[in-house]
Amino acid sequence: DVKVTQSSRYLVKRTGEKVFLECVQDMDHENMFWYRQDPGLGLRLIYFSYDVKMKEKGDIPEGYSVSREKKERFSLILESASTNQTSMYLCASSFSYAASENNEQFFGPGTRLTVL
Amino acid sequence: GQQVMQIPQYQHVQEGEDFTTYCNSSTTLSNIQWYKQRPGGHPVFLIQLVKSGEVKKQKRLTFQFGEAKKNSSLHITATQTTDVGTYFCAGPLTGANSKLTFGKGITLSVRP
Repeated sequence: DVKVTQSSRYLVKRTGEKVFLECVQDMDHENMFWYRQDPGLGLRLIYFSYDVKMKEKGDIPEGYSVSREKKERFSLILESASTNQTSMYLCASSFSYAASENNEQFFGPGTRLTVL
Repeated sequence: GQQVMQIPQYQHVQEGEDFTTYCNSSTTLSNIQWYKQRPGGHPVFLIQLVKSGEVKKQKRLTFQFGEAKKNSSLHITATQTTDVGTYFCAGPLTGANSKLTFGKGITLSVRP
């Protein structure tokens, strides 16, 4: 059974803290993604990676960075957390690129981050 | 900018009624996907459509890709309370090789 796991389901941090969100997939997928989900705004892509050590900005990268040192692990970093980064963060992975067939994304359970 | 649009964002139906929702893209898509997110859960892939005019069925769910490959529909026959959730469509917009652009989703509630 394919699996994407995220390090925490719930996280509470203070403004200005550095926050690490970890995501691990066991499917040997090339592509990994970080989204945030807010009511009324749907899923917005923060960053994605199509290979180890490669990264591309998504639609809302400001205030975030990522790291992909190993194929199975993709980390999202909030360098200095702010209250407007309170959100649900979802990690996903896929075998192939979006324009191809059989490119479904598998999502992790999500991390609900609250920044006080 | 390039978009994938789903309107409205919420719909309420009586159990047993049929339900149809639409997804529109500002550009031609090579494929379109649909996902379902149950309350408190994460998005789960339902289906992918690739060919112009393609129709696929999953039990009471029918998915269609438009002839121009710029829109798609999801039809649920005789809704049940298990159909409750948010349905997202997503497609790779022009030049986006590795990423999908998601619509904002439609949240379906079903009155028993």
